Amino acid sequence: EIVLTQSPGTLSLSPGERATLSCRASESIRSSYLAWYQHKPGQAPRLLIYGASSRATGLPDRFSGSGSGTDFTLTISRLEPEDFAVYYCQQYGTSPRWTFGQGTKVEIK
Amino acid sequence: EVQLLESGGGLEQPGRSLRLSCAASGLSFSNYAMSWVRQAPGKGLEWVSGISGSGGGTFYADSVKGRFTISRDNSRNTLSLQMNSLRGEDTAIYYCAKEAYRGVGPTDYYYMDVWGKGTTVTVSS
Repeated sequence: EIVLTQSPGTLSLSPGERATLSCRASESIRSSYLAWYQHKPGQAPRLLIYGASSRATGLPDRFSGSGSGTDFTLTISRLEPEDFAVYYCQQYGTSPRWTFGQGTKVEIK
Repeated sequence: EVQLLESGGGLEQPGRSLRLSCAASGLSFSNYAMSWVRQAPGKGLEWVSGISGSGGGTFYADSVKGRFTISRDNSRNTLSLQMNSLRGEDTAIYYCAKEAYRGVGPTDYYYMDVWGKGTTVTVSS
């Protein structure tokens, strides 16, 4: 079973700053199977990035994804107030079918 | 616009059963695999179960295998999760999600592109 480890657990930043979130897989995975989601309390999770680097429809270009193999990154170039949330990476596999990282909380400093 | 609306959550005792439903609209429901994902209090997202578009393929996390059953009614655009032998650790918000597949040349992309807002399940005596 592939394990996704996200770091840091919490990122304390100010609006306008750059956020860099890491997702590391316990073994190499296909980039096309790696996605990122944003989740706010009381709301549905929101797809941000699929295929490691493709933005979901309508996603602002301050969000970008990169990486391959075992190391993937979600970058928010300039944090807006609405970006403070928890972010999860996810991979599609076989058993289990889907795996999530434990999440990174981006909070206001 | 694709919408997913979960229902059926509530308070139930350990060992009892609960059935969740997810009503889908705005899509050709039978064309898409669907999943249930949960979030326990203070925890992250955990995939629970998935089902193919036809309903012929079902998939489960080890934590619920043998206790939960996923099903779908494509004539009613409805996804269900029958939860038996409930445990305290099943307490969570349960989300249904539409699985997306995109084939671009030789590359297959898999992700979940639409989610519901969730229904809360509490297992406690």
